Amino acid sequence: EVQLVQSGAEVKKPGESLKISCKGSGYTFTTYWIGWVRQMPGKGLEWMGIIYPGDSDTRYSPSFQGQVTISVDKSISTAYLQWGSLKASDTAMYYCARPPKTGTTYAFDIWGQGTMVTVSS
Amino acid sequence: DIVMTQSPDSLAVSLGERATINCKSSQSVLYSSINKNYLAWYQQKPGQPPKLLIYWASTRESGVPDRFIGSGSGTDFTLTISSLQAEDVALYYCQQYYGTPQTFGQGTKVEIK
Repeated sequence: EVQLVQSGAEVKKPGESLKISCKGSGYTFTTYWIGWVRQMPGKGLEWMGIIYPGDSDTRYSPSFQGQVTISVDKSISTAYLQWGSLKASDTAMYYCARPPKTGTTYAFDIWGQGTMVTVSS
Repeated sequence: DIVMTQSPDSLAVSLGERATINCKSSQSVLYSSINKNYLAWYQQKPGQPPKLLIYWASTRESGVPDRFIGSGSGTDFTLTISSLQAEDVALYYCQQYYGTPQTFGQGTKVEIK
């Protein structure tokens, strides 16, 4: 079964760092892009960026460029989303997701269960 | 960025009746050389991740009931639920994957009247 399994919920203080993960299984991890999507409480979906595990080619939304880092460790089929200094406004559900076709970035048919990040003093 | 605007923000439809959601993009998402619209529709229920319903504007994802119909081209798109069922109560989002960043509409909430 193709699936993406994300790390568990996090509660952090402003200024702290964080790295959340997304592990792929049931498919060839290196041949499908992995994207990250933010959903703030009660709000809509925001595309943050996407990475190709095969060569770590990464594309960011300008809204998130410089605010987060997307990376991958293909040896363990895991993608990451990390923050160097969290803000209260980073409080959100974060989803990783995979497109339906290898080598493309077109839409997402496989989604992780989401990681809730809460930033509060 | 391509801005996606959905209408209405919410709608209430009787069981068995038609629900229609519109999505307008700020620029065309039609890749004319291959005649494909880079537009997807998702359904999201509370506490769940989004579920892909439609891609290429009108291609139904495997397993999606045929009451979900995507249509439109260029900048104007529609998701129609031909006969609303109780399990269709959810938020619906359109997404363009023509440009980077990919962008979503603000969402439309579908409820039972």
